[in-house]
Amino acid sequence: EVQLLESGGGLVQPGGSLRLSCAASGFAFTSNAMTWVRQAPGKGLEWVSCITTGAATYYADSVRGRFTISRDTSKNTLFLQMNGLRAEDTAVYYCARNNRGVASPDYWGQGTLVSVSS
Amino acid sequence: QTVVTQEPSFSVSPGGTVTLTCGLTSGSVSTSNYPSWIQQIPGQAPRTLIYSTNTRSSGVPNRFSGSILGNTAALTITGAQADDESDYYCVLYVTNGISVFGGGTKLTVL
Repeated sequence: EVQLLESGGGLVQPGGSLRLSCAASGFAFTSNAMTWVRQAPGKGLEWVSCITTGAATYYADSVRGRFTISRDTSKNTLFLQMNGLRAEDTAVYYCARNNRGVASPDYWGQGTLVSVSS
Repeated sequence: QTVVTQEPSFSVSPGGTVTLTCGLTSGSVSTSNYPSWIQQIPGQAPRTLIYSTNTRSSGVPNRFSGSILGNTAALTITGAQADDESDYYCVLYVTNGISVFGGGTKLTVL
């Protein structure tokens, strides 16, 4: 059974940093691209970033230059390093497995809440 | 800037059929956009119903189907049930590793 478990969320001041983790199990982690998606309170889903099996990375304009996606294949874990956090980054962050290259998320984690406030 | 369009809301009667659509302001949606449909009950994590246009995720009832209709992606629910009342999002691969979500459709079953 595919399982994705996010952790690392919390309350941080504007300008601060957090690192989110997503522990993956139940599938060959090296065989799928992975994606981070976020959802601000009361808002829709927003694509944030993706990393391919070859470690190529892609970012939404809203986070490029501040966020860094990475993966540790020895630990089956996906990361999102978030620097220079802003109030508008407040959201639940979900990791998802991609089924078709960098597209088509098919499994999701339960999410971790990031709150940016002074 | 690429915008993915969805109906903000839709209603269907129990047992009825409804088709939600997903379009691109910049042109037509095709299978190369690998459209996916995600269901989210408020307060819960997203769940993918359909990926890569028309592939049903494991455990998804066959009353959910995906297709390309004209220049949009479509999610059809045949024989709607009360627990289909939810938010539905589409996501499209657009270019250079980037995907974009639509704003979501709030489906009411009544």
